[in-house]
Amino acid sequence: KQEVTQIPAALSVPEGENLVLNCSFTDSAIYNLQWFRQDPGKGLTSLLLIQSSQREQTSGRLNASLDKSSGRSTLYIAASQPGDSATYLCAVRRRGGGSSASKIIFGSGTRLSIRP
Amino acid sequence: DGGITQSPKYLFRKEGQNVTLSCEQNLNHDAMYWYRQDPGQGLRLIYYSQIVNDFQKGDIAEGYSVSREKKESFPLTVTSAQKNPTAFYLCASSSGTGDGYTFGSGTRLTVV
Repeated sequence: KQEVTQIPAALSVPEGENLVLNCSFTDSAIYNLQWFRQDPGKGLTSLLLIQSSQREQTSGRLNASLDKSSGRSTLYIAASQPGDSATYLCAVRRRGGGSSASKIIFGSGTRLSIRP
Repeated sequence: DGGITQSPKYLFRKEGQNVTLSCEQNLNHDAMYWYRQDPGQGLRLIYYSQIVNDFQKGDIAEGYSVSREKKESFPLTVTSAQKNPTAFYLCASSSGTGDGYTFGSGTRLTVV
């Protein structure tokens, strides 16, 4: 059974710092891993999608890495800003036959607060 | 612009009443999903559909029903059998196993 864990559950850092959010998963048989951002009371916004054959993806100040063999992904945020404050979730799409391949498994998220 | 539209944004339900949440996408995605999110908890899958006229139960389907008569639409009905329906409901879609999910902006349902 695939389990996705995000540690820490909450993180507070001063503005301008570089930071890393962690995501670990128990089954390396995945199609891809996706990082999302969720603001309070809002839907999920996709940040980065990493296919199982890729090692990393970059978008602006964000860089996500994937190490399937160790079951880990990290989201690196450079030069953090107060506007980066949100909950960040990772989700993996597991390989498998039938309907199981259609579903993704979410971590519980890391609530990030950037102090001005 | 392509995307997923959920309506209404806020919904109030009286005890014993059925309510239907709308989810429409113009992304030409085959698969659609409904999730429930409670405060301090992760997302839990209610129902999903991989193709028109077909859908499967997720982890917490009891008290909910869906239909998938059109590719673009996947409405969720919260029935009176759902004893604790107050939550934030999110709809998502995806085009294939290699692709990511796109989410709507959510509907907050409150029982009054």
